Amino acid sequence: GAVVSQHPSWVICKSGTSVKIECRSLDFQATTMFWYRQFPKQSLMLMATSNEGSKATYEQGVEKDKFLINHASLTLSTLTVTSAHPEDSSFYICSASPGQYQPQHFGDGTRLSIL
Amino acid sequence: DQQVKQNSPSLSVQEGRISILNCDYTNSMFDYFLWYKKYPAEGPTFLISISSIKDKNEDGRFTVFLNKSAKHLSLHIVPSQPGDSAVYFCAASAPDSWGKLQFGAGTQVVVTP
Repeated sequence: GAVVSQHPSWVICKSGTSVKIECRSLDFQATTMFWYRQFPKQSLMLMATSNEGSKATYEQGVEKDKFLINHASLTLSTLTVTSAHPEDSSFYICSASPGQYQPQHFGDGTRLSIL
Repeated sequence: DQQVKQNSPSLSVQEGRISILNCDYTNSMFDYFLWYKKYPAEGPTFLISISSIKDKNEDGRFTVFLNKSAKHLSLHIVPSQPGDSAVYFCAASAPDSWGKLQFGAGTQVVVTP
């Protein structure tokens, strides 16, 4: 089946550091990828839609300058958390779909801990 | 505004019995529905989906039922196994949403021996 790889799986860093998370579709091309954030014991919150070759679309309340998204190829999207602070600590997950009316497949997530 | 609702935060079921998870939605434009299973600190795993032109889809132990008039879908797992213990999310998308999914809050399923 379709596989989405996310890297790294866990990051611990100091406040003020910028952190880049990669999301790759391994066996299909994805013009659109999605980035989610999950708080403890809550559902997945969509942060932004990553569009290959164009700007990402951010959900209301998500700071585009804080969460930079780049979708440079049909198999790779990156999320950069800029100047991360402890409140940015969370579980970030990406997803991609081979096409419309096909299921989104999720990466294994990245646990980000900012000290 | 929560467009997809899972009103049962938890469900306990005995091994071998049927698990029934429910999901309601408010947006009549939704035409594609999915169920995902999630373990802690992992991404969701796709289980089964259904499009609005059907009312039932079956895959092994998993069956999804869709009642469009009631804006309700359910996931049946039979027989339930201990490895099914996880959080289950219902999700839906609309035709004009670029594949964007709306998720329910999830239901924690615990399968007891």
